[in-house]
Amino acid sequence: EAGVAQSPRYKIIEKRQSVAFWCNPISGHATLYWYQQILGQGPKLLIQFQNNGVVDDSQLPKDRFSAERLKGVDSTLKIQPAKLEDSAVYLCASSPQRKDTQYFGPGTRLTVL
Amino acid sequence: QQQVKQSPQSLIVQKGGISIINCAYENTAFDYFPWYQQFPGKGPALLIAIRPDVSEKKEGRFTISFNKSAKQFSLHIMDSQPGDSATYFCAASWDTGKLIFGQGTTLQVKP
Repeated sequence: EAGVAQSPRYKIIEKRQSVAFWCNPISGHATLYWYQQILGQGPKLLIQFQNNGVVDDSQLPKDRFSAERLKGVDSTLKIQPAKLEDSAVYLCASSPQRKDTQYFGPGTRLTVL
Repeated sequence: QQQVKQSPQSLIVQKGGISIINCAYENTAFDYFPWYQQFPGKGPALLIAIRPDVSEKKEGRFTISFNKSAKQFSLHIMDSQPGDSATYFCAASWDTGKLIFGQGTTLQVKP
């Protein structure tokens, strides 16, 4: 079974630029999560989708971050404009349903200069 | 109230020894407590998980001990091996499935 795919693996941008990350969850998984992991900290949930609807985006900085999951499969997370404090690893995870085990992708390491 | 506090921040253990990592929570609505293992450059991977209706769960060398009244749970790694060197995160979730992670413990197992 293929795991959660993410791209790109690494991205370096200047502050105020925009960036987008892509995630393809495990086939058949209805729930998709985006987490932000700052160096030395545990992952923090940014947004949770159930199929193509948003379940929780309470910690998503909506003035600069946006996410979508069209057709309830893959998802994109966008940051516009980026700030220095956005430097982190962005992890995508999926699970069959909400309370099932979450499987994480390898993450995208973002560096904002 | 949604925090999960994890300790120690780092841990060094000799090969064959026991590694113990502790976590504490406040929100009594949490009903699922997983431990994740993360290697550098990789995403977290589920190691073992427990629900509050049991006090202990063992899978191979890994054991979770759960104390509902104290709102604490811990991970024990028996016969620790150099390959266990990684960062370990405890977490907790409830109805939505959203995971609240601890700060992480970096484990180094010396040969």
